[in-house]
Amino acid sequence: EVQLVESGGGLVQPGESLRLSCSASEFTFSIYSMHWVRQAPGKGLQYVSGISHNGEGTHYAESVKGRFTVSRDNSKNTLYLQMSRLKVEDTATYYCVRDLYYYDRDIYRPGASDFWGRGTVVTVSS
Amino acid sequence: DIVMTQSPLSLSVTPGQPASISCRSSQSLLESDGRTCLYWFLQKPGQSPQALIYEVSNRVSGVPDRFTGSGAGTDFTLKISRVEAEDVGVYYCMQNIPPRVFGPGTKVEIK
Repeated sequence: EVQLVESGGGLVQPGESLRLSCSASEFTFSIYSMHWVRQAPGKGLQYVSGISHNGEGTHYAESVKGRFTVSRDNSKNTLYLQMSRLKVEDTATYYCVRDLYYYDRDIYRPGASDFWGRGTVVTVSS
Repeated sequence: DIVMTQSPLSLSVTPGQPASISCRSSQSLLESDGRTCLYWFLQKPGQSPQALIYEVSNRVSGVPDRFTGSGAGTDFTLKISRVEAEDVGVYYCMQNIPPRVFGPGTKVEIK
């Protein structure tokens, strides 16, 4: 069964840094784009960042650009999100998401489904 | 970034009755390769979200056929032909042109 397990969340003060990890198992991690999506308490979903299957392409929401860095280690089946200069408004549950599409013979093809982890909670407060 | 809007923001439906959610994007989601980058997600209470529909009208594996997506360009609709109790939750549309953007969500409840 596909598993995505996020870790690294916690309580930090404004201006501090945190690194989230997402450990993937039971699927071929290296052929899927991966994403981070967050949800503030009682609020809707907000896209944070994404990375292509081979790590060569990344993108960020405007609200985190320049402060967050997404990366991946395909040899370790792990996705990362380095968060710096954290703000109170970054407080949220952060979900690791496997894309619906997978890379196959030079194109992206739709798979059976996307997959979301259970999330890790980040609280930024003084 | 593209702005996504949804209406209504909440919906109360009698089981067995249809439901419809509208989603609008601030610019066309039609890509040069012909694909339209619009997804629908459902977040059931206490659960992580899950995709229901991709590219406007394609159901993800395992999604019941009572869910139908339609639309083009900037205007899209998710229809549930006969709402069941298990359909409660918050429905989000999302545009898939990087960076992705979610709509504000539509909360569906059962009467």
